[in-house]
Amino acid sequence: DTAVSQTPKYLVTQMGNDKSIKCEQNLGHDTMYWYKQDSKKFLKIMFSYNNKELIINETVPNRFSPKSPDKAHLNLHINSLELGDSAVYFCASSQGSGRVYEQFFGPGTRLTVL
Amino acid sequence: QQQVKQSPQSLIVQKGGISIINCAYENTAFDYFPWYQQFPGKGPALLIAIRPDVSEKKEGRFTISFNKSAKQFSLHIMDSQPGDSATYFCAASYLEDDYKLSFGAGTTVTVRA
Repeated sequence: DTAVSQTPKYLVTQMGNDKSIKCEQNLGHDTMYWYKQDSKKFLKIMFSYNNKELIINETVPNRFSPKSPDKAHLNLHINSLELGDSAVYFCASSQGSGRVYEQFFGPGTRLTVL
Repeated sequence: QQQVKQSPQSLIVQKGGISIINCAYENTAFDYFPWYQQFPGKGPALLIAIRPDVSEKKEGRFTISFNKSAKQFSLHIMDSQPGDSATYFCAASYLEDDYKLSFGAGTTVTVRA
């Protein structure tokens, strides 16, 4: 199936740990995003990469570090996890940037920090 | 701060009824207004979108109404069905911000059979 996929779907961890979430898209898109959806369902963009180059970097703690090894992959590494990091993280992709392109979202990764 | 204000937070409608969700914005630079639909446990998916040069766009049972002077836009779901039960997000973006999406807070729609 052509889609945006994320692993893992669920992640439960202790405060202070370091964890990574992986995202892959096989839609041939060259722009990828990370969004955070909090417990009130509010969606906010965190990062955006276009052709492996960081183009959007919102006010996110530097404990969060995205990495794009190639156009089809965008990973999110989180250091020293805090309780407030608990949320659903969505990866998305689009055909490009700088113009209106539909964003396709992955199924999300529910992160719970204990 | 939230650039797009969405209301109501939730609504319940009977099958066959009309669901109406409203959004308002302040930034007049916004020039693209999509609506996303999210089912529980899934990622959001684009439902319908509008540019400010038109006042209405219809796709099937879903219609966006856009009022540029009032800086408001709304989603109407006609003949609501139980399968429409989901959370709906309005959003806005513009070129100079690389079309970064600013989302409203979401509206959870429940359609009763």
